[in-house]
Amino acid sequence: DSGVTQTPKHLITATGQRVTLRCSPRSGDLSVYWYQQSLDQGLQFLIQYYNGEERAKGNILERFSAQQFPDLHSELNLSSLELGDSALYFCASSETSGRTGEQYFGPGTRLTVT
Amino acid sequence: DQQVKQNSPSLSVQEGRISILNCDYTNSMFDYFLWYKKYPAEGPTFLISISSIKDKNEDGRFTVFLNKSAKHLSLHIVPSQPGDSAVYFCAASLTRGGSNYKLTFGKGTLLTVNP
Repeated sequence: DSGVTQTPKHLITATGQRVTLRCSPRSGDLSVYWYQQSLDQGLQFLIQYYNGEERAKGNILERFSAQQFPDLHSELNLSSLELGDSALYFCASSETSGRTGEQYFGPGTRLTVT
Repeated sequence: DQQVKQNSPSLSVQEGRISILNCDYTNSMFDYFLWYKKYPAEGPTFLISISSIKDKNEDGRFTVFLNKSAKHLSLHIVPSQPGDSAVYFCAASLTRGGSNYKLTFGKGTLLTVNP
């Protein structure tokens, strides 16, 4: 158990809909990262938040957005969903300094868009 | 542009033998390299890492070797056990301003250890 929690575990929704994925980092970790794992693309970095502020962006679509709240939990919002958005979405967190690069991953949310 | 490559999608070894998983990278700015292990329906689990200023790091049965000139790293598992059967991801990290930045992952190698 990494200490990172994600809800829900599974989500099935229709095209055009909007969903919110939730992540709680390990106790004390200020950085939260979101990754998408699809069959053909592997694990792709989406976005990083550090203590409530956006720190870095990766291959995140404009239809997707995220935020980190004062209690450090984070939400990833996916809107106008398309079939191709079906994937596993992982949240990870890291120590404040993060000098060694280690990130600790949650169990993921499997999103299925029908 | 795939900056981290794992060219072997799968590897099968006998229990007790050595497993060697390989990874190549292109970005010389990466400063940490990590290996993660992933079981189905679970998130990746951190296994071992190595700083770009080192060439070897060992933790129990797991050893990671880094060859910076060749931009190549490998994970050795000795002896291999059936419980090691999983997908292994190589990842590389950039740090900015003293803190973590994104991990760039390879596509993974499925290791099967046969009893």
